[in-house]
Amino acid sequence: AQRVTQPEKLLSVFKGAPVELKCNYSYSGSPELFWYVQYSRQRLQLLLRHISRESIKGFTADLNKGETSFHLKKPFAQEEDSAMYYCATFQGAQKLVFGQGTRLTINP
Amino acid sequence: DAGVIQSPRHEVTEMGQEVTLRCKPISGHNSLFWYRQTMMRGLELLIYFNNNVPIDDSGMPEDRFSAKMPNASFSTLKIQPSEPRDSAVYFCASSIGTVNQPQHFGDGTRLSIL
Repeated sequence: AQRVTQPEKLLSVFKGAPVELKCNYSYSGSPELFWYVQYSRQRLQLLLRHISRESIKGFTADLNKGETSFHLKKPFAQEEDSAMYYCATFQGAQKLVFGQGTRLTINP
Repeated sequence: DAGVIQSPRHEVTEMGQEVTLRCKPISGHNSLFWYRQTMMRGLELLIYFNNNVPIDDSGMPEDRFSAKMPNASFSTLKIQPSEPRDSAVYFCASSIGTVNQPQHFGDGTRLSIL
């Protein structure tokens, strides 16, 4: 079954430093991958999907099929980036499965 | 568009009581999902509906949990009887019901069973 793994439960970086949140997937075909963000006590919001190849709030994510990864990156972290980040993929046509999440803390 | 609307936002009740969580999906979305979020297990899909029909309820933990979608604009998740281990944040999400479309989440219901 398709699944995603986020190896880091917690990640702490200083403001202005680069950020990389790791996500690895297991899927033999062409996966559909997403990053969702959850700010403190708020709803999950779609941040990125890999087919869009866009940059949202300065974040980008590139699908690396060789490494089966979809890491989320931002060159210069801001305090408002502190949140919970979830990588997700589809298991079947509509069943979205999430990684365990990474709590990102940006220190001033 | 108000997005996915869930009620109540918070619920505190004693164990053994019936709990009903409500969700209104985004208009025009024909797929609806119920998730549970806990510190220990993260986000888990409980059940989802397409065109008001339950498609996959394999994530429903046990018979105490039930979900219905009587029409395209309303769904309920019921727990009866409730137990302290049911304490979690329950999210509802909806999407356009074609393949691989992103899901849009509600604000969640924070449930505490004493």
